[in-house]
Amino acid sequence: QKEVEQDPGPLSVPEGAIVSLNCTYSNSAFQYFMWYRQYSRKGPELLMYTYSSGNKEDGRFTAQVDKSSKYISLFIRDSQPSDSATYLCAMSAGGGATNKLIFGTGTLLAVQP
Amino acid sequence: GAVVSQHPSRVICKSGTSVKIECRSLDFQATTMFWYRQFPKKSLMLMATSNEGSKATYEQGVEKDKFLINHASLTLSTLTVTSAHPEDSSFYICSANGQYQETQYFGPGTRLLVL
Repeated sequence: QKEVEQDPGPLSVPEGAIVSLNCTYSNSAFQYFMWYRQYSRKGPELLMYTYSSGNKEDGRFTAQVDKSSKYISLFIRDSQPSDSATYLCAMSAGGGATNKLIFGTGTLLAVQP
Repeated sequence: GAVVSQHPSRVICKSGTSVKIECRSLDFQATTMFWYRQFPKKSLMLMATSNEGSKATYEQGVEKDKFLINHASLTLSTLTVTSAHPEDSSFYICSANGQYQETQYFGPGTRLLVL
């Protein structure tokens, strides 16, 4: 079993839809959870960063962490064609400068105009 | 803030030559830098972790003599692919984390093609 599981998609939605992206994990030591967006042939861009359980909102993006279920989600409201990208979840057991991230495989999202 | 650059963005080289890729943190001091490799439609694979002024820590299965990593300053790390072969063709991405950064910030990546 992989430490982090993520549905690779592709996921295709119409513009304006609410998108739900999810990851599950097996390591209960994970405390820090991140979502990155990666456009084709570019490096990942940090979208959301959360510590432990709970919700965090930033504009159209909401990240949720349920540590009891070992399940994290990223919601995108009012999706736009510019949101079309691969979304990678990542997590780590420790924080700080030397934390080693474990990535999901990424979900490819296409928002149709 | 937290901008990381990479140079070159893409490089084509002949088999047997060495290629150096630079990773720079532009607006913060990177105490730790990471090097990843990404195959098409795959996730990032961590190759090594480097701390400024010390030897890099390589992940299992990564040849340290083939992928030379130097982290000589708090804003610069380099990855040198020595005696490159076609199977080394890939997308190489660095990331950096500093004392005041909550997590890693990634560079734009370098696409290497070995002919």
